[in-house]
Amino acid sequence: LAKTTQPISMDSYEGQEVNITCSHNNIATNDYITWYQQFPSQGPRFIIQGYKTKVTNEVASLFIPADRKSSTLSLPRVSLSDTAVYYCLVGDGRAGNNRKLIWGLGTSLAVNP
Amino acid sequence: GAGVSQSPSNKVTEKGKDVELRCDPISGHTALYWYRQSLGQGLEFLIYFQGNSAPDKSGLPSDRFSAERTGGSVSTLTIQRTQQEDSAVYLCASSPLIGFGYEQYFGPGTRLTVT
Repeated sequence: LAKTTQPISMDSYEGQEVNITCSHNNIATNDYITWYQQFPSQGPRFIIQGYKTKVTNEVASLFIPADRKSSTLSLPRVSLSDTAVYYCLVGDGRAGNNRKLIWGLGTSLAVNP
Repeated sequence: GAGVSQSPSNKVTEKGKDVELRCDPISGHTALYWYRQSLGQGLEFLIYFQGNSAPDKSGLPSDRFSAERTGGSVSTLTIQRTQQEDSAVYLCASSPLIGFGYEQYFGPGTRLTVT
């Protein structure tokens, strides 16, 4: 399983774009990159998943360079409600292997007024 | 539709007592996971159920921990003779087991405090 490294914390202001970078130097060919968001007193919530290049949904974008050794979660125009912990996870994309993912400490994002 | 539900939301128990935590997964989801999250930490995998297959218990920290899943739906996590280090939030998640994807659907968790 690929180990991931991401900043422990980040600060931003409302309306700004926030980019959280995760490094995963040992990513394997079959590995996908997945990001989850967790609010206090709640379970994590899936945000986005990708394999290579760029993925965009209604919540965020995920940028993955050609070597796939890192990825960047981009949150456009954050609001106070985006204050949460963001987890970067890397692992085999086969269904059911979720349990083998290693959840680190995540990045604690604080959005200020 | 209804998401994953867990009960109770909070549980305070005395050291040495047994506790049962319940998880109702999303209907139709064949995979069910239990995790533990200590304060300020990431998630720690405990046990995984998939259909009628034998569960993956590789994450259970001791034999005081056990879990069942009845009828492929509701699951119960039991902790016997609780210890203070068992204090944590216990999270349940479910997912459909089709194709690729890491999208697990988490419940709100049960906060367990052992005094």
